[in-house]
Amino acid sequence: AQTVTQSQPEMSVQEAETVTLSCTYDTSESDYYLFWYKQPPSRQMILVIRQEAYKQQNATENRFSVNFQKAAKSFSLKISDSQLGDAAMYFCAYELDFMNYGGSQGNLIFGKGTKLSVKP
Amino acid sequence: NAGVTQTPKFRVLKTGQSMTLLCAQDMNHEYMYWYRQDPGMGLRLIHYSVGEGTTAKGEVPDGYNVSRLKKQNFLLGLESAAPSQTSVYFCASSRGEVPYNSPLHFGNGTRLTVT
Repeated sequence: AQTVTQSQPEMSVQEAETVTLSCTYDTSESDYYLFWYKQPPSRQMILVIRQEAYKQQNATENRFSVNFQKAAKSFSLKISDSQLGDAAMYFCAYELDFMNYGGSQGNLIFGKGTKLSVKP
Repeated sequence: NAGVTQTPKFRVLKTGQSMTLLCAQDMNHEYMYWYRQDPGMGLRLIHYSVGEGTTAKGEVPDGYNVSRLKKQNFLLGLESAAPSQTSVYFCASSRGEVPYNSPLHFGNGTRLTVT
């Protein structure tokens, strides 16, 4: 069974600095997707960034980037120039490519989350 | 532009009571999902639907039923609530294509407490 591990329950960063959140996963499959979701106090889950496993190039979205190491099964999130609005729970998630393995979209496996605090 | 709307936002039930959570989306998405989030955990899939009139079980379906009579609505029912069902429930929707191109859109969640 696939699992996702976030080893840092809490992290803290100074405003304008850079922070990296860790995520490792376990799978025996080769085609899958990885996501980082942000959950602010408002509770809504917001997609931050996504990565296709077959793409070696690391995804970037403005101040957010990932370091995807497929062989090591690692998918860390780097937040540059941290802002107060970045304070939230961050969840790493894995989804098998259902187009190749059957099933359906939406069966994401989530980690337990990392609570990020941003200090002014 | 409402996106995904969940009602109610909060609810307290006594053990054995029943209730229905409503999810509505205005994006014409084919797929809809119900997740639960327990303290210190990520989301887990309860049930999902790949189109109007269809439903399927997710990872943790026991104790819940769902219906998708209209494309825009997805209902989650608890027939006899138990304290173990105390959780935050999230609805989501998507176009149902390759996940990279069809991200999930989430509602704001319903906090349910069963005493």
